[in-house]
Amino acid sequence: KNQVEQSPQSLIILEGKNCTLQCNYTVSPFSNLRWYKQDTGRGPVSLTIMTFSENTKSNGRYTATLDADTKQSSLHITASQLSDSASYICVVSDRGSTLGRLYFGRGTQLTVWP
Amino acid sequence: EADIYQTPRYLVIGTGKKITLECSQTMGHDKMYWYQQDPGMELHLIHYSYGVNSTEKGDLSSESTVSRIRTEHFPLTLESARPSHTSQYLCASSPKRGGNTGELFFGEGSRLTVL
Repeated sequence: KNQVEQSPQSLIILEGKNCTLQCNYTVSPFSNLRWYKQDTGRGPVSLTIMTFSENTKSNGRYTATLDADTKQSSLHITASQLSDSASYICVVSDRGSTLGRLYFGRGTQLTVWP
Repeated sequence: EADIYQTPRYLVIGTGKKITLECSQTMGHDKMYWYQQDPGMELHLIHYSYGVNSTEKGDLSSESTVSRIRTEHFPLTLESARPSHTSQYLCASSPKRGGNTGELFFGEGSRLTVL
């Protein structure tokens, strides 16, 4: 069964600290993996996309990694800011058909305290 | 910033009422989607469209219906709302390239409460 599991479910850190969010998936055949950020009361916004051949990709203070062998991805946030408080959602795409489909994780709720 | 808009943002209505959630995008995207999101749960696809006059049901069984008469407009209708329909509804769109695995651009959501 194709699934996407995220951990931790929630996380509280102090402003300025680093943190790492995890995403494990069983989706096959794999096409790509995206991390989305969803602020409270808003729609998700894409942060980064990882394809099969990519190991690491950065977007400002966000760095995503992908290990396609172990089917794991992480999102590392450096020097956290209050505005990083949000839900971070891992979304994995398959290529089992011409159009593919998306599998969503339940998200990690990150809270950054001053 | 994505140009996709949802109205209303918040709606509280009584059981049995008919409601329509509006979604419009100005990016010329062919594909549009409706997702349902409950707290702490993953997004569930309830309807999608690949273009004008094309609509399909998603993975999650829903009593709602959709229409796609214009490229930019993808409204969702509930003929008779029930408390079980209370949820956050997210509209999204994506360009034609990349099949269904491309980036989704989401609206800000419509939070529906049925009393």
